[in-house]
Amino acid sequence: DARVTQTPRDKVTEMGQEVTMRCQPILGHNTVFWYRQTMMQGLELLAYFRNRAPLDDSGMPKDRFSAEMPDATLATLKIQPSEPRDSAVYFCASGQLEEGTQYFGPGTRLLVL
Amino acid sequence: EDQVTQSPEALRLQEGESSSLNCSYTVSGLRGLFWYRQDPGKGPEFLFTLYSAGEEKEKERLKATLTKKESFLHITAPKPEDSATYLCAVLGSSNTGKLIFGQGTTLQVKP
Repeated sequence: DARVTQTPRDKVTEMGQEVTMRCQPILGHNTVFWYRQTMMQGLELLAYFRNRAPLDDSGMPKDRFSAEMPDATLATLKIQPSEPRDSAVYFCASGQLEEGTQYFGPGTRLLVL
Repeated sequence: EDQVTQSPEALRLQEGESSSLNCSYTVSGLRGLFWYRQDPGKGPEFLFTLYSAGEEKEKERLKATLTKKESFLHITAPKPEDSATYLCAVLGSSNTGKLIFGQGTTLQVKP
């Protein structure tokens, strides 16, 4: 049963520290998405990649957030420096862009103190 | 601008009490409407994709239907394990693969 995996599942850090979140998409999917979910804003799309190339990162604060796909089995989302307002659950999802369905990972719950 | 609105925000049902969740949308060129279920502390779980008005899909106690303006998720004789947040999303022809999500309906089914 193929699944999207994310690490770490929980992260507590102090303001100003770097945070790196990792995602392993489902093998064979050509698109990877990064979302942030909060009670106030719901699910927000931060960035997404097709065949490892960035398609859109307009949802991401550019000064502190960066997203990459070093290879087809790994996507990373970095926050540097982190701020308390970044506290949220970050989800990775993968899918076939043309088909539309996205499959979500379990999320990384981030708390910035 | 593509938009999705879900109602109600929250719904409480007694076990066995059937009801429907609504997802209203505006999108240029609907390519698909998606329903997800999200349990607390977990990622959204894919339920259904609907592609054209008139289409229906079923899974256990859930049935999703689609018109040109909205989708309904009908829950027949719900059980406590159906308690979750249900999310609706649309994919439009101008979105280049981006799903536009609604805010969700949180369903609580009491025994």
